Amino acid sequence: DAGVIQSPRHEVTEMGQEVTLRCKPISGHDYLFWYRQTMMRGLELLIYFNNNVPIDDSGMPEDRFSAKMPNASFSTLKIQPSEPRDSAVYFCASSARGYGYTFGSGTRLTVV
Amino acid sequence: AQSVTQPDIHITVSEGASLELRCNYSYGATPYLFWYVQSPGQGLQLLLKYFSGDTLVQGIKGFEAEFKRSQSSFNLRKPSVHWSDAAEYFCAVGAKNYGQNFVFGPGTRLSVLP
Repeated sequence: DAGVIQSPRHEVTEMGQEVTLRCKPISGHDYLFWYRQTMMRGLELLIYFNNNVPIDDSGMPEDRFSAKMPNASFSTLKIQPSEPRDSAVYFCASSARGYGYTFGSGTRLTVV
Repeated sequence: AQSVTQPDIHITVSEGASLELRCNYSYGATPYLFWYVQSPGQGLQLLLKYFSGDTLVQGIKGFEAEFKRSQSSFNLRKPSVHWSDAAEYFCAVGAKNYGQNFVFGPGTRLSVLP
């Protein structure tokens, strides 16, 4: 298995632009998570899905953030409009119930 | 609510020395416990996990951890550290009856002296 695949690896965008981050979970995993990592706040859970259904989005910072999982093999995290304080590394992870997460390599987002 | 503390923000050890990274958790039920490692610029990699049974669990890269219910701890150990072990280490806790929402500790950064 190729593991959790995230794209792009790096994204630099201007403030106000829309940013879309993508994730392909491991086949057969029924949970998918989006995390944000910053030096100041560490790892923060943004949202997670079970069987493509959002279960808890209480970590999504603002309405500018949205996430979708149209099918079991794909999820997106969108920021519109982006702001400099959104700069962070965004991780996607997937798991099967009862097991640890498998993380993707992350997307480093820089908003200038 | 679940919580995880890692009392040491940064630890420095010499190559070949033993290592222990501390992790304490707060949760009322039987937890799932994990240790992850993150190398610079990389995602988090699972080192080991505890669900039940033997309280001493073995992981990859020569790491082990011991679950001590009485102390609410799950400390990570390695008998002899290698320079390649320099990284950030995260402890995480999840609940068997709380879906899959794990809580991560703040991390401990490990530096290894030659």
